Amino acid sequence: ETGVTQTPRHLVMGMTNKKSLKCEQHLGHNAMYWYKQSAKKPLELMFVYSLEERVENNSVPSRFSPECPNSSHLFLHLHTLQPEDSALYLCASSQEAAGEPYHTEAFFGQGTRLTVV
Amino acid sequence: AQSVTQLGSHVSVSEGALVLLRCNYSSSVPPYLFWYVQYPNQGLQLLLKYTSAATLVKGINGFEAEFKKSETSFHLTKPSAHMRDAAEYFCAVESFPGGYQKVTFGTGTKLQVIP
Repeated sequence: ETGVTQTPRHLVMGMTNKKSLKCEQHLGHNAMYWYKQSAKKPLELMFVYSLEERVENNSVPSRFSPECPNSSHLFLHLHTLQPEDSALYLCASSQEAAGEPYHTEAFFGQGTRLTVV
Repeated sequence: AQSVTQLGSHVSVSEGALVLLRCNYSSSVPPYLFWYVQYPNQGLQLLLKYTSAATLVKGINGFEAEFKKSETSFHLTKPSAHMRDAAEYFCAVESFPGGYQKVTFGTGTKLQVIP
């Protein structure tokens, strides 16, 4: 497989459930990201992992918990979500260099469409 | 902080007509700008990027964008729209707040192509 793969593509969960979203990149990149895309709102950066270390958390509620066990895999663990958390969750990866920025593009997965009922 | 503003959440053009999608940026340093496209039920795909090498940037699928510092703009154009261009387009700006790359996206413009 190539690129960035997200599973599942669709997920429906109740507010008391616990589920996880998975992202895998086959590009040899060293940075991975979670974005949330809601209707009529800009793409929101949720988490950034650079060299497997979390470097940014944009004040995301604790019901979202990321995990990056290695540079190729990224998870988003979900628990006790609210209906307003229904959205498309996008994973992305890029190759970063220490020092001068590369201005490299981010490669996105197809997303997981999450519906909280 | 860097940001981008996309003017018009929806744009409709006839097939074969000029496509113009507007993006203005705000940045205290020379910006690095991107245009991404999102087709229905897909992730985002890079169309083109500006990294100061040339003000006119050519991308995939016949799109191009011109960086105009005096107007703080980075508008996306295509001379002749095709049905397959119907998608949502996002302008984005890059920053490095803590030594890592952060991309901030605009709110997106949905392009409708009328046959």
